[in-house]
This record gives sequence, structure tokens and C-alpha cells, in this order.
Amino acid sequence: DAGITQSPRHKVTETGTPVTLRCHQTENHRYMYWYRQDPGHGLRLIHYSYGVKDTDKGEVSDGYSVSRSKTEDFLLTLESATSSQTSVYFCATESAGELFFGEGSRLTVL
Amino acid sequence: GQQVMQIPQYQHVQEGEDFTTYCNSSTTLSNIQWYKQRPGGHPVFLIQLVKSGEVKKQKRLTFQFGEAKKNSSLHITATQTTDVGTYFCAGGTSYGKLTFGQGTILTVHP
Repeated sequence: DAGITQSPRHKVTETGTPVTLRCHQTENHRYMYWYRQDPGHGLRLIHYSYGVKDTDKGEVSDGYSVSRSKTEDFLLTLESATSSQTSVYFCATESAGELFFGEGSRLTVL
Repeated sequence: GQQVMQIPQYQHVQEGEDFTTYCNSSTTLSNIQWYKQRPGGHPVFLIQLVKSGEVKKQKRLTFQFGEAKKNSSLHITATQTTDVGTYFCAGGTSYGKLTFGQGTILTVHP
């Protein structure tokens, strides 16, 4: 494994509350990604980062923001959680085109 | 935008039977990657194909990339219970974007 840690691993929250998921890597990989996984949809890219303070939107970025203040940390924030954001969130880093995924964070929005 | 379709969505086999999952892209790809996700786990990189018509083998797994670089397949010979999980293809473009298919969930009955 590429030393990717996600926190929290499980979270239950209420609609309208802000949520932040953290991804920490120890491999000094430049590229980092946030995906969500939902049945029937595979993995869909939310946001990605190509360096410190350099981020861009993926295909399902509405309602999400990200920040990368250090190479090793990539934060995903749900500004005001909705039930449609109930999902499993995976962070990934990239090296030589290969993605290395974290263990996932299961988020339930009630 | 680019779409990557993967079929079938589910496959149930008896142990010892073969299994194939297919991936089709709406656009020409620069490369195709395959990942495996065990139940409750995270996706793990299996292989990358980059050449038209390329065939690669990993023990009982055979990966093919189509001549037009728009489709790919993963074939498992003589499935074992350890093969259970979800298999994802991910199509890459020349500008680095990776789009995942919906995945095929493989169940192997002993």
C-alpha cells in the first residue's frame, strides 16, 4: 500500500451540516484525487489536485470543495451535506499513472 | 464527455468456471487500466494496457486492449473463491483524464 490514510472511516451526520474528510499520504505523490463510489456508478471523480494549492474539478464536484495546503494532505469538504451525498469516499494518489487508493470513508447523511 | 461502459454489472459463476468482463469507451483511449476491489475493501491496481491489440496475462487473468483502443476485456480462467470482488476498468485519455466503468461484481460459488 502507498501509505494513504483516510479519516474518519465512518461518519453519520445530518442534512445541512458541514463535513470534512481528510486524506493523508506518506509517499510524496504529486497528484491526489477524491472519488465517490455508489452502486451502479462505479467511481466518480469529485476533485483532484496536481500540487500544493493546485486543484481542479472532476465530474461530480457540485456541493464539494477541496484544499491542499501541504503535499501530504488533501481535504474534501461538504459545505452543507445532503442525503444525495451519502456514499463511500475514496482518496487516491497517483504514481506513474497507477492509482493507489485509501481504505475509504463511509458517510451517511440523514 | 467521455463515457466508459462496463458489462455485465453482475456475474455469478461456479468455482472453476471462466469469467469475462467487457469495457467499452465512447472515445479512443490512450490506455486502459484494470482494478480489483474485494468486498469491503478499496480498489487495487491490476494492470495497464497502452498498445492497440495488446494482450497481457497474469496467471489466470488475461487482459486485452482492442485494435481501435476503444474496448477492453478481462478474462479469468477457472475462477476461484479468492477471485470474488468488483472489477473496474478505467479508460485514460491523452490529457491524463481517467474515467472508470461501473464495475462488474463477481460472485464465485464453491
